[in-house]
Amino acid sequence: EAGVAQSPRYKIIEKRQSVAFWCNPISGHATLYWYQQILGQGPKLLIQFQNNGVVDDSQLPKDRFSAERLKGVDSTLKIQPAKLEDSAVYLCASRPMDSGANVLTFGAGSRLTVL
Amino acid sequence: EDQVTQSPEALRLQEGESSSLNCSYTVSGLRGLFWYRQDPGKGPEFLFTLYSAGEEKEKERLKATLTKKESFLHITAPKPEDSATYLCAVPEGMNRDDKIIFGKGTRLHILP
Repeated sequence: EAGVAQSPRYKIIEKRQSVAFWCNPISGHATLYWYQQILGQGPKLLIQFQNNGVVDDSQLPKDRFSAERLKGVDSTLKIQPAKLEDSAVYLCASRPMDSGANVLTFGAGSRLTVL
Repeated sequence: EDQVTQSPEALRLQEGESSSLNCSYTVSGLRGLFWYRQDPGKGPEFLFTLYSAGEEKEKERLKATLTKKESFLHITAPKPEDSATYLCAVPEGMNRDDKIIFGKGTRLHILP
């Protein structure tokens, strides 16, 4: 079974520039998550999708972050404009809808550095 | 308000020196507590799920236990390859689709 694919793995941008991250979850996984992990901290949920609908985006800074999951498969997370404090690893995770165990499968992450 | 607190933040052990990592939680009506391992440059990888007080799960040198207030990850006779960050996580609410909250993790370093 192929894992969760993310790209790019690394991105360096200047503050106020924009950036987009892409995630392709495991085939058949209806639930998709974007987490932000700042160095030395645990992952923090930004947004959770069920198919192509948003379940929770309460911690997404909506003035600068946006995410979509068209057709309920892959997803993109965009930051515009970026701030220095957005430097972090952006992790995508997925799980099957009928999974009662809430076990998430993570991708390797996209590391963002904002200068 | 922290709902998942892990301690210590970092731990250095000699190879073979057993120890325990702690995860305390404040969510009510716990619907599972999860342990993940995260290696540098990689995403977290699932280790265990615990559902009820008294439950234990084992995998190689790791054993996870759960009480009503906390969970422990016991590491017996660790090897350098056990070096990683260990993350604890819980669902925030009572619904199946509630978000998963992670602690800050414990960075474990096993010296050869």
